[in-house]
Amino acid sequence: QKEVEQDPGPLSVPEGAIVSLNCTYSNSAFQYFMWYRQYSRKGPELLMYTYSSGNKEDGRFTAQVDKSSKYISLFIRDSQPSDSATYLCAMSADIWREYGNKLVFGAGTILRVKS
Amino acid sequence: DTAVSQTPKYLVTQMGNDKSIKCEQNLGHDTMYWYKQDSKKFLKIMFSYNNKELIINETVPNRFSPKSPDKAHLNLHINSLELGDSAVYFCASSQRWAGRNQPQHFGDGTRLSIL
Repeated sequence: QKEVEQDPGPLSVPEGAIVSLNCTYSNSAFQYFMWYRQYSRKGPELLMYTYSSGNKEDGRFTAQVDKSSKYISLFIRDSQPSDSATYLCAMSADIWREYGNKLVFGAGTILRVKS
Repeated sequence: DTAVSQTPKYLVTQMGNDKSIKCEQNLGHDTMYWYKQDSKKFLKIMFSYNNKELIINETVPNRFSPKSPDKAHLNLHINSLELGDSAVYFCASSQRWAGRNQPQHFGDGTRLSIL
């Protein structure tokens, strides 16, 4: 079993739809949770960064972390064709000596927003 | 100004050759990383350096040798290239601040193809 599970999709939605992306994880040491967006032939671009549990909102994006269920989500409101990309969840632990802030990534979900 | 820059962007070479990839960050971060993204787009940590000290070596073959001449640079040298080394290699950087790991910022990758 992988440490971080993410459905690779592809997920295809019409413009304006609300998109829900999810990851589950098994390592209870994870304390930092991130969502990255990756366009074709580009590097991952940080979208959201959360420490521990809770919700965080930034414009059309909302990140949720439920540590009791080991489940994180990213919601995109009013989705646009420019949101079409691969979305990667990533996590890291706070034990520097053991983990050294390495990110463990999900497989990435391909999102296509149709105009 | 590009925050994390890698050179070259593309590298096509023959099996058995030795090659280097360079990375520079101008964010003032103290930790730098190398990740490998395989053909299925899965991103995995290879190495991490903090203040020029090797922190993570994630069971990478000895043919891969990272070198950090200073905090702003982390280079990756690969000896005796093999077909399985074909991938996209990403450099990233981050800062540890107030006892917490801050998010990592990625370059746009080096696409390595072995003939």
